[in-house]
Amino acid sequence: SAVISQKPSRDICQRGTSLTIQCQVDSQVTMMFWYRQQPGQSLTLIATANQGSEATYESGFVIDKFPISRPNLTFSTLTVSNMSPEDSSIYLCSAEGALDPDTQYFGPGTRLTVL
Amino acid sequence: AQKVTQAQTEISVVEKEDVTLDCVYETRDTTYYLFWYKQPPSGELVFLIRRNSFDEQNEISGRYSWNFQKSTSSFNFTITASQVVDSAVYFCALKDAGNMLTFGGGTRLMVKP
Repeated sequence: SAVISQKPSRDICQRGTSLTIQCQVDSQVTMMFWYRQQPGQSLTLIATANQGSEATYESGFVIDKFPISRPNLTFSTLTVSNMSPEDSSIYLCSAEGALDPDTQYFGPGTRLTVL
Repeated sequence: AQKVTQAQTEISVVEKEDVTLDCVYETRDTTYYLFWYKQPPSGELVFLIRRNSFDEQNEISGRYSWNFQKSTSSFNFTITASQVVDSAVYFCALKDAGNMLTFGGGTRLMVKP
């Protein structure tokens, strides 16, 4: 299985600011994803991070609010822009590896609090 | 559209009791995968098991066992002789032909000493 790390692990931010979360995988993977988990809720897919092209966003999520980059096969970033308290959530990245394309493995998550 | 339902939002047991977490799914596809993930209080999501739709054999891994029944569209998870370290939120998930992972609402398991 792929080992996935995320930075930062947690942050407390002020309203109106932006935060960029980094996701690093220890091996080349085919697919990378970003999820949001609001307090006490299940996971919701934000977008699929496509290598070398624009991310594919799910309904309710837009690029201006959640810009995503994926410059290579092992790294992706998610930016939460112009934050409000409603953005307080855990943000998780996941990946499907070339050797195990049917299973998503998850990073440890970034716990974001917006004041 | 696919859907995963975990009717039990919270379960509380005493250590050493057996506990079963229910998962019911809906999909129109004949080929799909089912998963269980564990999310301890630290927040990371830990993969536990994957089962494809053509393999209905039950699986046992230590104190964990899984019962997959296509006839009832269920994929239940049993922990035998529960321990305090089993306390976590458990998510059932479905991946079908659309290749997207759909999660259930999660079941919070509390194991008391």
